[in-house]
Amino acid sequence: NAGVTQTPKFQVLKTGQSMTLQCAQDMNHNSMYWYRQDPGMGLRLIYYSASEGTTDKGEVPNGYNVSRLNKREFSLRLESAAPSQTSVYFCASSEATGSANTEAFFGQGTRLTVV
Amino acid sequence: RKEVEQDPGPFNVPEGATVAFNCTYSNSASQSFFWYRQDCRKEPKLLMSVYSSGNEDGRFTAQLNRASQYISLLIRDSKLSDSATYLCVVLPYTGNQFYFGTGTSLTVIP
Repeated sequence: NAGVTQTPKFQVLKTGQSMTLQCAQDMNHNSMYWYRQDPGMGLRLIYYSASEGTTDKGEVPNGYNVSRLNKREFSLRLESAAPSQTSVYFCASSEATGSANTEAFFGQGTRLTVV
Repeated sequence: RKEVEQDPGPFNVPEGATVAFNCTYSNSASQSFFWYRQDCRKEPKLLMSVYSSGNEDGRFTAQLNRASQYISLLIRDSKLSDSATYLCVVLPYTGNQFYFGTGTSLTVIP
């Protein structure tokens, strides 16, 4: 099973460039998430989608946009990249956050460097 | 106050040692609790869920204390392969997101 697939795995951008991080899950999960992970900061939620057709801001949404294209896919867009967005980005999915003991499954991550 | 707090460590222990990690959470209306393991430059993966009555999986024991709002993970007979960062994760009843601790780094030394 593929689980959660993220692309690309690595990316270097120049300041001001735009890009879209792609994420797809094949587990028929309702909820999907985008996190960034920085040293000493842990995983911080950027945006999430509780179900197809809905998206909500997380802890650090500024500078990002998302699209829940369908139940499988949830993309993250950086419209104008800044060095502060250098980070490791993880996409995750879960069955539904309202369910007891539902776990989150993660993609392999995207290492983004903005120069 | 952070939703989930963990001692970042690092914990450096010899093979065969027993090591315990603690984690506190601030939202008393929290529903589900987990320990995740993250290897260097890899994605987090579920190690075990934490149940109210406590649970064990081989050398790993997880406990939950709702009254004091903390979760613990005990690793017995540490192996070199246990070296990783351990993340405490909390899911509130009414929230739509998982809250992660910053992680506790463990290195098991030969």
